[in-house]
Amino acid sequence: QKEVEQDPGPLSVPEGAIVSLNCTYSNSAFQYFMWYRQYSRKGPELLMYTYSSGNKEDGRFTAQVDKSSKYISLFIRDSQPSDSATYLCAMPDSNYQLIWGAGTKLIIKP
Amino acid sequence: GAGVSQSPSNKVTEKGKDVELRCDPISGHTALYWYRQSLGQGLEFLIYFQGNSAPDKSGLPSDRFSAERTGGSVSTLTIQRTQQEDSAVYLCASRKLVRATDTQYFGPGTRLTVL
Repeated sequence: QKEVEQDPGPLSVPEGAIVSLNCTYSNSAFQYFMWYRQYSRKGPELLMYTYSSGNKEDGRFTAQVDKSSKYISLFIRDSQPSDSATYLCAMPDSNYQLIWGAGTKLIIKP
Repeated sequence: GAGVSQSPSNKVTEKGKDVELRCDPISGHTALYWYRQSLGQGLEFLIYFQGNSAPDKSGLPSDRFSAERTGGSVSTLTIQRTQQEDSAVYLCASRKLVRATDTQYFGPGTRLTVL
């Protein structure tokens, strides 16, 4: 079993829909939770990160952490075609090295 | 400002040939990572450099893979006797400090195709 599990998709939704992207993890020691976005033929870039449990909002994006369930989510409101990308979750281990999910490919249909 | 750059952007080679991939990290970043990303897959860690410390080579898939970082800056990933399964996008990332919240900044990658 991988330390971080993420459904690779693809996930296809119509423009304007609310999108939910998720990761599960096995190491209860993880404290920080990051979401990276990767456009086609580009490198990943940090979208947002959260510490411990709770929600963090940034514009149309909300990151949510449920440490009791070892489950994190990224919600995208009013999704746009420009949100089409692969979304990767990542968590620093005890040496601050990132443990990556496989990434979910998201397609927003106009 | 200048980000992480990688060259070449695309490389097509024949099976059995050696290839060199280059990464120019962001100036002043102490940490440098190489990853491999196969089609539709996540990031596979290859190697990590931190300052003058010995690199963490735990992710290199075979002894055909090697990397060096000269002067704490530019890094070269070398693949000897390439195989078709080496075809992938090779991504480089740099990081200013190695702390929990420090961002990894990625280059655009080198797309390697082994015929």
